[in-house]
Amino acid sequence: DSGVTQTPKHLITATGQRVTLRCSPRSGDLSVYWYQQSLDQGLQFLIQYYNGEERAKGNILERFSAQQFPDLHSELNLSSLELGDSALYFCASSVELAGAFYNEQFFGPGTRLTVL
Amino acid sequence: SQQGEEDPQALSIQEGENATMNCSYKTSINNLQWYRQNSGRGLVHLILIRSNEREKHSGRLRVTLDTSKKSSSLLITASRAADTASYFCATDRDDKIIFGKGTRLHILP
Repeated sequence: DSGVTQTPKHLITATGQRVTLRCSPRSGDLSVYWYQQSLDQGLQFLIQYYNGEERAKGNILERFSAQQFPDLHSELNLSSLELGDSALYFCASSVELAGAFYNEQFFGPGTRLTVL
Repeated sequence: SQQGEEDPQALSIQEGENATMNCSYKTSINNLQWYRQNSGRGLVHLILIRSNEREKHSGRLRVTLDTSKKSSSLLITASRAADTASYFCATDRDDKIIFGKGTRLHILP
């Protein structure tokens, strides 16, 4: 158990819909990262938040947005869903103090999103 | 484009043998990490090696880093059935974390 929790575990929805994925980082971790993993694209970094502020942006679509709340939990919002958005979405956290990628990341179990 | 590329894509070895996986990257890095992923599960951090380090050990794992060749290798010694998983290297570029497509390792009984 990494200490990172994600809800829900599974999500099935229809094209055009909007969903919210939730992540609670490990106690004490200030950085939260979101990733998308699909068979064809592999593991793609979407976005990083540090203590409530956006820190780094990866291959995140404009239809997707995220935020980190004062209690450090984070939400990833996916809207106007398309079939190709079906994937595993992972959240990870770390104790990053400054910059990115100097410490190991602890991954949650993921949310499997299926868009029908 | 991928920053880290693992090689081989898939590897099957007998239990007890050593497994070696390689990772190549394109631009300079601050550090490189290796992760393991069991099917459909979250990634688990294995080891981090900084750009000024050449070799690092953790239990049965040995990681090397050659910044002149922009490559790293992960060696798992005395493999076990539980080592069956996908292994990813992750590097940084422009403050973004880039994962390779991974090596699928299968340990045969």
